[in-house]
Amino acid sequence: AQKVTQAQTEISVVEKEDVTLDCVYETRDTTYYLFWYKQPPSGELVFLIRRNSFDEQNEISGRYSWNFQKSTSSFNFTITASQVVDSAVYFCALSEAGGTGGFKTIFGAGTRLFVKA
Amino acid sequence: EAGVTQSPTHLIKTRGQQATLRCSPISGHTSVYWYQQALGLGLQFLLWYDEGEERNRGNFPPRFSGRQFPNYSSELNVNALELEDSALYLCASSGGQGVGDTQYFGPGTRLTVL
Repeated sequence: AQKVTQAQTEISVVEKEDVTLDCVYETRDTTYYLFWYKQPPSGELVFLIRRNSFDEQNEISGRYSWNFQKSTSSFNFTITASQVVDSAVYFCALSEAGGTGGFKTIFGAGTRLFVKA
Repeated sequence: EAGVTQSPTHLIKTRGQQATLRCSPISGHTSVYWYQQALGLGLQFLLWYDEGEERNRGNFPPRFSGRQFPNYSSELNVNALELEDSALYLCASSGGQGVGDTQYFGPGTRLTVL
């Protein structure tokens, strides 16, 4: 069965610190997709990244980087030199083909990040 | 390009009433998804529509239903409202390619049941 675990409920850092948000997933499929979304206080989820199960290359986008490791079923997200505007809830999500009901996207419980000035 | 829009922004109902929430997808997107985000909880998948048909639903009672119109906009109906239905309801859309689709979210409708 699908499962996404974000063990860190809340993280608090001081501006300019680096912070890593953990995501561990469970799936029986060999083909699946992983996502990260940001939910600022306004409530709207903002898409950050998509990664398919066959692409284990890490990715860097500005201050954001993602480390995908199939061996440990993890897809961790690092923010370098954090800023106050990074304060938000971050969700990791997993999509797999599923059975007769079609695919589903399962979201983790989210990690609330506080960046203090 | 306009994003996903939802209306109303806020909705206040009393227990037992019905609520109707609306969603317009990004132009060109054929799939619409509905999620419930109760206070302090993650996103729970409600429904997925594609090309006018319900493709999948989450573990919610039948009083949560919806439909997708020919222009791909969608409605979520919640009948016989209960206090625990109070939540942020998020709509997302995608290009309808299936499991690998990226879902783009709207700002949500906050439903309060008194």
